[in-house]
Amino acid sequence: NAGVTQTPKFRILKIGQSMTLQCTQDMNHNYMYWYRQDPGMGLKLIYYSVGAGITDKGEVPNGYNVSRSTTEDFPLRLELAAPSQTSVYFCASSIIPDRTNEQFFGPGTRLTVL
Amino acid sequence: QKEVEQNSGPLSVPEGAIASLNCTYSDRGSQSFFWYRQYSGKSPELIMFIYSNGDKEDGRFTAQLNKASQYVSLLIRDSQPSDSATYLCAVNMLEEYGNKLVFGAGTILRVKS
Repeated sequence: NAGVTQTPKFRILKIGQSMTLQCTQDMNHNYMYWYRQDPGMGLKLIYYSVGAGITDKGEVPNGYNVSRSTTEDFPLRLELAAPSQTSVYFCASSIIPDRTNEQFFGPGTRLTVL
Repeated sequence: QKEVEQNSGPLSVPEGAIASLNCTYSDRGSQSFFWYRQYSGKSPELIMFIYSNGDKEDGRFTAQLNKASQYVSLLIRDSQPSDSATYLCAVNMLEEYGNKLVFGAGTILRVKS
């Protein structure tokens, strides 16, 4: 199993550009999550999904959109990139978030908006 | 606002010593608690979780939970330079569609050889 994979690893965007961060998991997990991590900060939840076709906002959803058409894929869309979106983005998945709720993380995408 | 608080550090300990990392949380309804380790430039990886009051041991790591005082801690015995990393405390909080993790900002640990 590859686990959780993310592409690209690095990206530089200009202000106002758009892009999609890709996330794929091959563990047949129902739940998937997008986090951002700013320097010296913890992980902030952007969006999450409880299964194909179902998504919901997390703590910091503004400026982002998601979709979940399959169990495996959970892309994150940035429209009109802003410098405040410069961050490291992590995708994660879990089978069912019961009280153990182990989340498996992808390697991250480091995004810079100039 | 549901919060998880950690001392940012850095916490410096000599090799072989015990490192003690602490975390407090605001939501009294939280049921389970996690410690993730994150090396610089890498993604978080789960070390331990705990959901009962008291201690839980796994090798050199011991997690301690006190729900009445709303704190959870991680002890690392016989600290090694390879333990140098950021340690993230995460609390499982019940939301409309299930449980979600809320992370603290992390404590930087440096183990000096």
